[in-house]
Amino acid sequence: EVQLVEFGGGVVQPGGSLRLSCAASGFTFSNSAMSWVRQAPGKGLEWVSGISKSGDMTDNADSVRGRFTISRDNANSTLFLQMSSLRVEDTAVYYCAKEVYPNHYFDSWGQGILVTVSS
Amino acid sequence: QVVLTQSPSVSASLGASVKLTCTLSSGHSSYAIAWHQQRPKKGPRYLMKLHTGGGHTKGDGIPDRFSGSRSGAECYLTISSLQSEDEADYYCQTWGAGNYVVFGGGTKLTVL
Repeated sequence: EVQLVEFGGGVVQPGGSLRLSCAASGFTFSNSAMSWVRQAPGKGLEWVSGISKSGDMTDNADSVRGRFTISRDNANSTLFLQMSSLRVEDTAVYYCAKEVYPNHYFDSWGQGILVTVSS
Repeated sequence: QVVLTQSPSVSASLGASVKLTCTLSSGHSSYAIAWHQQRPKKGPRYLMKLHTGGGHTKGDGIPDRFSGSRSGAECYLTISSLQSEDEADYYCQTWGAGNYVVFGGGTKLTVL
């Protein structure tokens, strides 16, 4: 059974940094591209960042480009999202999601982790 | 830039059928999409991929009550024999051609 478990959320001040982790199990992590998707309170889903199977290619939404960095550790089946220069509007539940190669749709999701940016 | 348009809300009665619509923007009518369900206070759950040709591939454990179809730029998710547990937000999603991932705004389904 595929499991994706996010860690590292919490409350951070505007301008601060936070690193999210996603521990993956139940599938061959190194064979799957991965993404982070977020959901602001009461809003819809918004794709944030994606990374290829090997980690050599990444992409980010315009809203986070230059502030967020996605990475992965295939040896430990873990996905990361380094978030810096955080803004109030980054407040959201962040989901880790497994992509179906060669497309960019998601067949497994984590339970989500809340990030609150507030002074 | 592809845009997916969904009705904000729909309601249907217990035991009835409902058809949710996701409309692809002009010039993108042949894109494949995926449907996801999000129950209250839960993470999203993958339902199915709707292929360009109209067939669909469902996720593990998705009941036969859920099916997908399309006509031109309109993509559909049909849920038959509605149950209370089907009350949720439903999102369509696509990808490609300069868009890594795009989500529709979501449809809130209320089961009466």
